[in-house]
Amino acid sequence: GQQLNQSPQSMFIQEGEDVSMNCTSSSIFNTWLWYKQDPGEGPVLLIALYKAGELTSNGRLTAQFGITRKDSFLNISASIPSDVGIYFCAVPGNQFYFGTGTSLTVIP
Amino acid sequence: DAGITQSPRYKITETGRQVTLMCHQTWSHSYMFWYRQDLGHGLRLIYYSAAADITDKGEVPDGYVVSRSKTENFPLTLESATRSQTSVYFCASSEMNSNQPQHFGDGTRLSIL
Repeated sequence: GQQLNQSPQSMFIQEGEDVSMNCTSSSIFNTWLWYKQDPGEGPVLLIALYKAGELTSNGRLTAQFGITRKDSFLNISASIPSDVGIYFCAVPGNQFYFGTGTSLTVIP
Repeated sequence: DAGITQSPRYKITETGRQVTLMCHQTWSHSYMFWYRQDLGHGLRLIYYSAAADITDKGEVPDGYVVSRSKTENFPLTLESATRSQTSVYFCASSEMNSNQPQHFGDGTRLSIL
């Protein structure tokens, strides 16, 4: 199946710091999605990107669709404790593929 | 309230037993999906369905059976459960086509002893 390389695998940051994570693929995609999963719950869609170069924000979250269409980036500004969770990138293709996730811990 | 619901939330069973996980969505979404989530593997697609009576295998279909007699329901059955099927199972749905974002249920945590 399609492999999405997501990094970093985990992050431990102080409250108030900014966070950056990215996802890369060897294939070109027309859509990139970012999800967050809270403990004990299912993933929830944060941001959807449909155009190469697109930069989209959702509150303190900003995601970008890479120009090559092979990557995407997610940034979180001024992190707060409720940002804790696992963040997944995802792309639709013949099937739906998810990255392996970035586990974020925010230290108050 | 509209949404996607999974049942049961937790299940413990024994090796060799048959177990069915239920998934129900109220959006009338065409597509439905079953994933399993394990440490180190992220979300892996088991089966998906584009419409009622249409199902296809995903990345890890062995040991699982699905059906979709009605648009709103997509049950997943383990015909003879094995310990390797201990996992958290998520159902998801999306509208129109498989390129649309998926919406997930809260999961079923399944333990097989």
